[in-house]
Amino acid sequence: QITLKESGPTLVKPTQTLTLTCTFSGFSLSTGVVGVGWIRQPPGKALEWLALIYWNADRRYSPSLKSRLTITKDTSKNQVVLTMTNMDPVDTATYFCAHTKLTMAIGPTPSFEYFQHWGQGTLVTVSS
Amino acid sequence: QSALTQPASVSGSPGQSITISCTGTSSDVGSYNLVSWYQLHPGKAPKLIIYDATKRPSGVSNRFSGSKSGNTASLTISGLQAEDEANYFCCSYAGSSTSVVFGGGTELTVL
Repeated sequence: QITLKESGPTLVKPTQTLTLTCTFSGFSLSTGVVGVGWIRQPPGKALEWLALIYWNADRRYSPSLKSRLTITKDTSKNQVVLTMTNMDPVDTATYFCAHTKLTMAIGPTPSFEYFQHWGQGTLVTVSS
Repeated sequence: QSALTQPASVSGSPGQSITISCTGTSSDVGSYNLVSWYQLHPGKAPKLIIYDATKRPSGVSNRFSGSKSGNTASLTISGLQAEDEANYFCCSYAGSSTSVVFGGGTELTVL
């Protein structure tokens, strides 16, 4: 059974850096064509994809947020960490991590296929 | 503004069928069958209900079905039930530069 759980601060101040941890079980991020992604949802708004890290440590970032995001993995701890710099009130959202299925069917490098299993999410509020 | 366009809301009576559209471009939905759909209930983890445009994960009711034509993907829910009331989001692979795009979401109300 695959499970994921997000953890981190519930409140951050503007300009601070947010660090979120996704702790997972039921799969390994060192083998297989899989990854872990981060997605957020501002209150009452749409889902927004943020970042992906693949089993082979390759990374993908949302073009609009790339300069602010870093995603890393610690395979020994079954954790993926997302950092977002220069937080702003518009970044207030529920942040989800998700076990991600990748595919080799598109080209020589892995491509996103779908988010198969999700965590419950963690609400982060940005306010002074 | 989301990359994929969905209707903001749809509604239907129990037992009826509804369809939610998801319109993208030739750079995402139109180029790949890598469209997925997610069901979101407030306070719960999002749930994958359709992947690869038409496939249904194990354990998902066969009342949910997906299709794709050109730049538009669709989710159909037949035999509507009260428990289907939720928000639904489509998602697509969008090439190596952009990677992943979501729709704006559709709120389904079961009357």
